[in-house]
Amino acid sequence: SAVISQKPSRDICQRGTSLTIQCQVDSQVTMMFWYRQQPGQSLTLIATANQGSEATYESGFVIDKFPISRPNLTFSTLTVSNMSPEDSSIYLCSERRGAWNEQFFGPGTRLTVL
Amino acid sequence: SQKIEQNSEALNIQEGKTATLTCNYTNYSPAYLQWYRQDPGRGPVFLLLIRENEKEKRKERLKVTFDTTLKQSLFHITASQPADSATYLCALDTGGYNKLIFGAGTRLAVHP
Repeated sequence: SAVISQKPSRDICQRGTSLTIQCQVDSQVTMMFWYRQQPGQSLTLIATANQGSEATYESGFVIDKFPISRPNLTFSTLTVSNMSPEDSSIYLCSERRGAWNEQFFGPGTRLTVL
Repeated sequence: SQKIEQNSEALNIQEGKTATLTCNYTNYSPAYLQWYRQDPGRGPVFLLLIRENEKEKRKERLKVTFDTTLKQSLFHITASQPADSATYLCALDTGGYNKLIFGAGTRLAVHP
């Protein structure tokens, strides 16, 4: 199994500010994924981050709002920009490995925007 | 449109019984289907994967079936224990490195 850590584990932020979430994995991986899980909802993929190229965003998510960095094969950041209360959610990073591409998740970052 | 449906109502069962959770999907042709467990405040944890050409997969007390004709997967926990109480998510994988699409999950509560 994979070991994935995220920082911060939770934060409370003011409207209009930005928060950068860090994700560290314990071995080199090609693709990392960022998900959002709103209260009572399932996971929604925000974007896929490949090292050395721009992230690929899913419908409804844009780079200006959720810029992503992927400086190396074990690290990625997601920034939630110009936050509003609607951005309150759990943000999870993830990577896939194994013979059948099992997906492993970090513990999540619980964001509350006031 | 593409949809994954899991029972939104919580499933309450007695300890020792078999819990059965359902995952139905429409307008997908998944290469694999995966099941995850999620505890409150934690990220999902991978449990089992079943391929499109497999009918059934077992792991200890867990059993998954996959019926591509019915577009349905069933997830069974036999001899359930209170520690099995969690939300269980199904996810579809269209193969390769394509994204996983998750269902909303079903909360299971096992009572002593």
